[in-house]
Amino acid sequence: GQQVMQIPQYQHVQEGEDFTTYCNSSTTLSNIQWYKQRPGGHPVFLIQLVKSGEVKKQKRLTFQFGEAKKNSSLHITATQTTDVGTYFCAGPGGSNYKLTFGKGTLLTVNP
Amino acid sequence: DTGVSQNPRHKITKRGQNVTFRCDPISEHNRLYWYRQTLGQGPEFLTYFQNEAQLEKSRLLSDRFSAERPKGSFSTLEIQRTEQGDSAMYLCASSLGQGIYNEQFFGPGTRLTVL
Repeated sequence: GQQVMQIPQYQHVQEGEDFTTYCNSSTTLSNIQWYKQRPGGHPVFLIQLVKSGEVKKQKRLTFQFGEAKKNSSLHITATQTTDVGTYFCAGPGGSNYKLTFGKGTLLTVNP
Repeated sequence: DTGVSQNPRHKITKRGQNVTFRCDPISEHNRLYWYRQTLGQGPEFLTYFQNEAQLEKSRLLSDRFSAERPKGSFSTLEIQRTEQGDSAMYLCASSLGQGIYNEQFFGPGTRLTVL
């Protein structure tokens, strides 16, 4: 079945440094979603990418969907302590409805 | 609060007991999902409802697990004869279901501990 892999598993940065997490799928994806889960919280939707090569920005966050629609990345510029949490990518798991999540990248930020 | 709600938030039970969790999705959302999450892992899909119809079940969902959404609104997830391996966070999510656009809204989860 489809697998979604994320690297790195953990990333610790100093506040102000940049951060990137990468997501790779074993199959071509019709779309990819990104979620953020704060410690002790639940996943919160960030964005959905649909088009090949798509790039979307939300303030300091930049999301990219690869040309082959098999990989994606999330880049945070100048991290802040509020960015702490686990970032998950998720792709449609064999249908357009359920999601297959990666294991996530846990970001910690040292103030 | 018009978000997804789940009850109870925490459940501690002894092995072999039955437990039931409830999820109230966002009212206009026709799609409802159950996921299970363990420490250090992403949510794993369990089952999916469109309105009251259960359209997909994961192979992870053994015969001890059953889910319902009787009137296409709230949903329940029951685990019979709980085992220690069932200990996890059970997350419910809902979405409006507009074609390929499928932003899912998650509830706070029910944390199950099986002793």
